[in-house]
Amino acid sequence: KAGVTQTPRYLIKTRGQQVTLSCSPISGHRSVSWYQQTPGQGLQFLFEYFSETQRNKGNFPGRFSGRQFSNSRSEMNVSTLELGDSALYLCASSLLGAYNEQFFGPGTRLTVL
Amino acid sequence: QQQVKQSPQSLIVQKGGISIINCAYENTAFDYFPWYQQFPGKGPALLIAIRPDVSEKKEGRFTISFNKSAKQFSLHIMDSQPGDSATYFCAASNQGGKLIFGQGTELSVKP
Repeated sequence: KAGVTQTPRYLIKTRGQQVTLSCSPISGHRSVSWYQQTPGQGLQFLFEYFSETQRNKGNFPGRFSGRQFSNSRSEMNVSTLELGDSALYLCASSLLGAYNEQFFGPGTRLTVL
Repeated sequence: QQQVKQSPQSLIVQKGGISIINCAYENTAFDYFPWYQQFPGKGPALLIAIRPDVSEKKEGRFTISFNKSAKQFSLHIMDSQPGDSATYFCAASNQGGKLIFGQGTELSVKP
């Protein structure tokens, strides 16, 4: 069974630009969650999508948005990038959500210059 | 109320020793407590999880101890090995909710 894949793996952007990250969950998983990981703040929950609907949202500004497609693949978008957005963005898929085992992808390393 | 506090931030243990990582939570609605292990360059992976109907769960060398009244839970790694060197995250959630992670503990097991 293929694991969670994230593309791209590395990304360099400049302040003010926007970026779109992609996540393909494990086949059959309907829940996709996104997390931001930084050395200072640890793993912080961004949002969760379940069957194309946003089910939970973390405490991030509106510049961070996401969506989920009918095949469960998900994208997250960050607009007007700031230096502080530099982080590892992790996607996790699960059958039912945070209440069950989540399978993480390798992440996308975003650097904002 | 959504926080999960984890300690210590870093831990050095000799091979064969016991590694202990502690977590505390505030939200009494949490009823799912997983531990994740993360190696450099990889995403976190579920190690072991517990629900509050039991006070202890053991899987191989890994044990979760859970104290509902104190709102605390801990991970014990028995006979720690160099291959256990990684970052460990505790987390908490409730049904329909989001997974809240602790700050992480960087474990180094010396040979």
